[in-house]
Parts: sequence; structure tokens; C-alpha cells
Amino acid sequence: DGGITQSPKYLFRKEGQNVTLSCEQNLNHDAMYWYRQDPGQGLRLIYYSQIVNDFQKGDIAEGYSVSREKKESFPLTVTSAQKNPTAFYLCATSWGAATTGELFFGEGSRLTVL
Amino acid sequence: AQSVTQPDIHITVSEGASLELRCNYSYGATPYLFWYVQSPGQGLQLLLKYFSGDTLVQGIKGFEAEFKRSQSSFNLRKPSVHWSDAAEYFCAVGGGGATNKLIFGTGTLLAVQP
Repeated sequence: DGGITQSPKYLFRKEGQNVTLSCEQNLNHDAMYWYRQDPGQGLRLIYYSQIVNDFQKGDIAEGYSVSREKKESFPLTVTSAQKNPTAFYLCATSWGAATTGELFFGEGSRLTVL
Repeated sequence: AQSVTQPDIHITVSEGASLELRCNYSYGATPYLFWYVQSPGQGLQLLLKYFSGDTLVQGIKGFEAEFKRSQSSFNLRKPSVHWSDAAEYFCAVGGGGATNKLIFGTGTLLAVQP
């Protein structure tokens, strides 16, 4: 099936630990995105990548890191520097520019810091 | 700066009743406007989008939205709500170009009473 796979779906982490969220797509889309969703705050852009080996910071990049070594993969690392990492994380892709095209979303990963 | 406002945090309607979800945007040029829907614990799905042309746009699942430039609004409507429409709805605005960034509203949670 074509789509976007995020894993794990649920993740628990102790304070001070780094965690990596996986995002894999087989839609052959060039652009990939990471959003953070908190209740009542909508979606906020963390990082995005338009091509392999290139990515840009979004609005809330502090405490996060990404890589884009393959077109299909865009993992997100939540570092210990992220002050409030408990949230729902969504990966998305688009054929072209997100502002003019449709975003396709994965089912999300819920991170809880204990 | 671009912004999107969804004034209603939570709306409850009876099944079979009509629905209107409000969205107001702030953008200096002609906006690209979107409505997305999110079922609990899932990613988002595009309902419809407006770029130009006819100001009344039709989407999936029987939804439509009307772009009103004079009011800076892009309200979502459905003539008869079904129980399966219960979800959270997000309005988003983008401006094209190379920014690849959509700005999302904070969402409206729709509950449907039997």
C-alpha cells in the first residue's frame, strides 16, 4: 500500500533521553515535514525537507534534529534539550510545495516523557 | 504575518442538522486556503482547497467551503451532518512560493449528537 508509516505509535521516555521517531514514505514525494500537535494549539512546523540532504527549520525547531539521507525517510530526533517534548508528532509529505498542494499525513507518534 | 483564526473551539450539532465551521485568515496577498479533518489519534486528511476561481469549492464527504475576500473568511459547511463527521477540523492558509509552510488554525472539535 502507498502511504506514510510512522513508528512507534506510542513512545515513553525518561527525562534526559534522546528519542528518534521514524517516518517512511513510498509515495515518491519530494517534500517531507514534521509537525507537533498540542491540544488547543493546532499544528506547528518543526522541520521540513524539500530534497534529499537538505532541510530547513520550521517555527519550533529548538531541541529537535532531523536528517534526510534518503528520499523515503525523514527521521526526527527529540533531544534532551527540548523542554516540553510530550506531544503528538505528525509526519507529512507533499508532491510539491505544501502551500499550493495537498499534504499527506501519517498516523502520528505520541511521545510521553515520564 | 500570516495567521488563521478558528473562533469555535468546540461545536455540537445534532445528526442531520446543518453545519458551519468558521475560519478567518490574515494574509497580504491572495491566499491558498485549505480545510483538513482529523479523526481521534489519526493524521489529517484534506477535505478541500481553494486557490482561485469559483469562490464556492466542493470537497470530499459532502463538504463545501466559500471564500469571501471581503470578510477574510473561508467557512466550511455541510447541509446534513452524519455521526461519522465527528472529528477535529483544521483550517490552513499558505501563500505559495518557496516557503513550503502552511499555517494551521487551532482547530474546531465537532461532536455529533444522535
